[in-house]
Formats: sequence, C-alpha cells, structure tokens
Amino acid sequence: GQNIDQPTEMTATEGAIVQINCTYQTSGFNGLFWYQQHAGEAPTFLSYNVLDGLEEKGRFSSFLSRSKGYSYLLLKELQMKDSASYLCAVRDLGRGSTLGRLYFGRGTQLTVWP
Amino acid sequence: GAVVSQHPSRVICKSGTSVKIECRSLDFQATTMFWYRQFPKKSLMLMATSNEGSKATYEQGVEKDKFLINHASLTLSTLTVTSAHPEDSSFYICSARGGGLAGSEQYFGPGTRLTVT
Repeated sequence: GQNIDQPTEMTATEGAIVQINCTYQTSGFNGLFWYQQHAGEAPTFLSYNVLDGLEEKGRFSSFLSRSKGYSYLLLKELQMKDSASYLCAVRDLGRGSTLGRLYFGRGTQLTVWP
Repeated sequence: GAVVSQHPSRVICKSGTSVKIECRSLDFQATTMFWYRQFPKKSLMLMATSNEGSKATYEQGVEKDKFLINHASLTLSTLTVTSAHPEDSSFYICSARGGGLAGSEQYFGPGTRLTVT
C-alpha cells in the first residue's frame, strides 16, 4: 500500500512563509501532486513533481526528493485566503496497474491569522 | 486548466432510492476517470478507476454492485449509488485525466454532496 504522511494542522500569520512536509512510501512512484482544498469544495491543482528538485509557481513552490520519499510545499507571502487544507498525493503505478491511481494523504489544515 | 463538471452539486434522497451523479470533462477527452468520496475533515478515498469503454476497477472494500460506474464516452462518467442508506451520505468527487501519464494532471470536479435521509 501507500503510506503518505503529512502534518494534520499548521498555523501562520499573514505575510509569513510556511513549509508543509510530506513523506511517502510507494512501490511504483510516478509523480507527486499538491492540491488545495477549501472546506466544502473540491481540490484544486497546485503543483506536480516527478523529478527531483524545486518547482516554483508564483507564491507557491514544491520540492521533491525521490530517494528520500519526501516533498514539501512552500507558501510565501501568506494571505488570509490561503487558509485551506493542503493535500499531498502520490501517483502509483505499482501492482502492475497502468491506470496510475492517485493516493492522497490526510491533508494539512493551514490557518492563516491576521 | 481543464474543466470538469459534476451534476448535481447537492442531492437529498430517501433511504432505499438510487442516485446518479454525472461527471463531464468539458474541454478535453478524459481517457481515465476516478471517483472519490470524502467524509468531513478526512482525506479523499479512491473508490474506483475507469477507462472509457471498460469496466471500472474498484478499490478494496468498495461494493461494485452498490456503486455502479459507467464510462461510456471520453467526456462522461456516471456514478450511481443504488439503494442508498444514510451511511452513504458523503461528498463524492470525480476526477479526470487525459491520455498518457507523463506530466498529465488530474482535474477534479466540484463535487456532489449526497445526503440520504
């Protein structure tokens, strides 16, 4: 199976920087995704990493180390609207599946204070 | 980004009835569609995966006779919850992906909140 671990909750203040970590164990790794989900809404895509290194997209960056089974999502210049759940998800091609299912962590609830 | 729609967004039904949820990819051909359910403050749980024209692959513990999935075209998949019970009340989210795997993102629909009374 897949073990995807991320912190349950984090808090930060407006304008600050926050790093959300995610560790995973999977047999057929084929990419790691970060999604943002506001309460009662579906997840929205933030980033995708399949090779080691840092991907930067505006205020959000995502890092991947495949050898360590580790990723982080970095949010800069935090705004109140960034308060949401952040989901780490791993695409797994294990067990001979070619469908590339996406497995999600429990999500990290980020609260941004003024 | 690509757009995936779901209908209805909310549905309330009586115990014992069936409910159909539609998922459409609006601006791309979705070779693979995924159905998830999510309980409050919990993560998304994959229920099943389907390729267009093929039978769905269900995750362990998901009853295929209860959750009927049809992926008849490259832009439409449906999930039918048969003989719904209150414990089926949940947030159901579909997701669609285009052809190939490399770099292919997975786009989510807005979700359907099902309440069974």
